Amino acid sequence: AQSVTQLDSQVPVFEEAPVELRCNYSSSVSVYLFWYVQYPNQGLQLLLKYLSGSTLVESINGFEAEFNKSQTSFHLRKPSVHISDTAEYFCAVSFHYGGSQGNLIFGKGTKLSVKP
Amino acid sequence: EPEVTQTPSHQVTQMGQEVILRCVPISNHLYFYWYRQILGQKVEFLVSFYNNEISEKSEIFDDQFSVERPDGSNFTLKIRSTKLEDSAMYFCASSENPTGLNYEQYFGPGTRLTVT
Repeated sequence: AQSVTQLDSQVPVFEEAPVELRCNYSSSVSVYLFWYVQYPNQGLQLLLKYLSGSTLVESINGFEAEFNKSQTSFHLRKPSVHISDTAEYFCAVSFHYGGSQGNLIFGKGTKLSVKP
Repeated sequence: EPEVTQTPSHQVTQMGQEVILRCVPISNHLYFYWYRQILGQKVEFLVSFYNNEISEKSEIFDDQFSVERPDGSNFTLKIRSTKLEDSAMYFCASSENPTGLNYEQYFGPGTRLTVT
């Protein structure tokens, strides 16, 4: 079965500390990988994505994620977080097989809480 | 930048009533999706729609649900007889070709449905 796992439901960190939010998936077909961010009382915003090519992808606000096919992972990292990064982060996967329409399967989300 | 819009932002309805949630996808997109997020839980796929018909649907999308593209711009989700457990945030999304090199789904801000 195809699934997405985010093991950490909450990650508290201090400002300027590094952070890693973990995401693993299970699939027998090729995948596209996404990280979405949801700020309190707001919708989903795409943070970054992996479709093909370089396995390391970056966002404009300093986050990066690396696709590791052998470990079926797409962990999100930031070397130094800010208070404004406090949000919930969702890993999402689009599984590609014949007739697939690209619907996303989401992980349960990780709440990142950055403390001063 | 083009965006997906949704109306209303908040809908309160009584159990057993019909509701219609509306979405205006990005104009040149051809694939449309509905997701829901029950409070405190992960985002769940409901249905995808392409070429005026349902492409894929999840187990959640039972006979109480229907989708329609009544004109060239709107994409609606109808819940025929709402239940308490239908209370959730409903997100509409749209995309270009799901297998394209720049694939991503653009999400609307969501409609919060409260069933009393």
